[in-house]
Amino acid sequence: AQSVTQPDIHITVSEGASLELRCNYSYGATPYLFWYVQSPGQGLQLLLKYFSGDTLVQGIKGFEAEFKRSQSSFNLRKPSVHWSDAAEYFCAVGARGSGNTPLVFGKGTRLSVIA
Amino acid sequence: DTGVSQDPRHKITKRGQNVTFRCDPISEHNRLYWYRQTLGQGPEFLTYFQNEAQLEKSRLLSDRFSAERPKGSFSTLEIQRTEQGDSAMYLCASTLFGASSYNEQFFGPGTRLTVL
Repeated sequence: AQSVTQPDIHITVSEGASLELRCNYSYGATPYLFWYVQSPGQGLQLLLKYFSGDTLVQGIKGFEAEFKRSQSSFNLRKPSVHWSDAAEYFCAVGARGSGNTPLVFGKGTRLSVIA
Repeated sequence: DTGVSQDPRHKITKRGQNVTFRCDPISEHNRLYWYRQTLGQGPEFLTYFQNEAQLEKSRLLSDRFSAERPKGSFSTLEIQRTEQGDSAMYLCASTLFGASSYNEQFFGPGTRLTVL
């Protein structure tokens, strides 16, 4: 069974600073990989996804993520954080093979942005 | 607004009462998922449907929980004899199933359940 680890429970960055949120997964092969964002009281919004091909994927809101097979990682990055990026971020994996199996999520990283 | 709606958004109930939540997916989506999210945790899978067929239930889904999707459109999740441990956010998601791909799951805003 797959699992996802997000080592950082809470990160605080200054507005305008760069950001990297870590995600490690455990799966027998390369899973489908996702990053979601959740603002308070809201559902989850997809930021980006990796299925295959180019290991650097671009998403919405200026986010990108890099898949590294050797490290079983899919870290999320943003070069310059805005105050509106403060939210909870979840990394998730989906199993390959039979399409659209339920997602397995990490516990999330809460991002705070200070002036 | 993703197009997935959930009702109610908030529910406060007393221990031992039954509650029912509703999810309306995006209209053309044939797969519907229920997840549960407790404080400080990521969403955890509960169950999912392909049209009206319930394909899988998580071990998290005790026999006090039941879900259905009678006409392959909206879905309901019922919890009988609620316990304080059931307090959580219940999230619904939908997608258009593709056997050879993995399409985005669109999430609703969730129903926050508080059991007193």
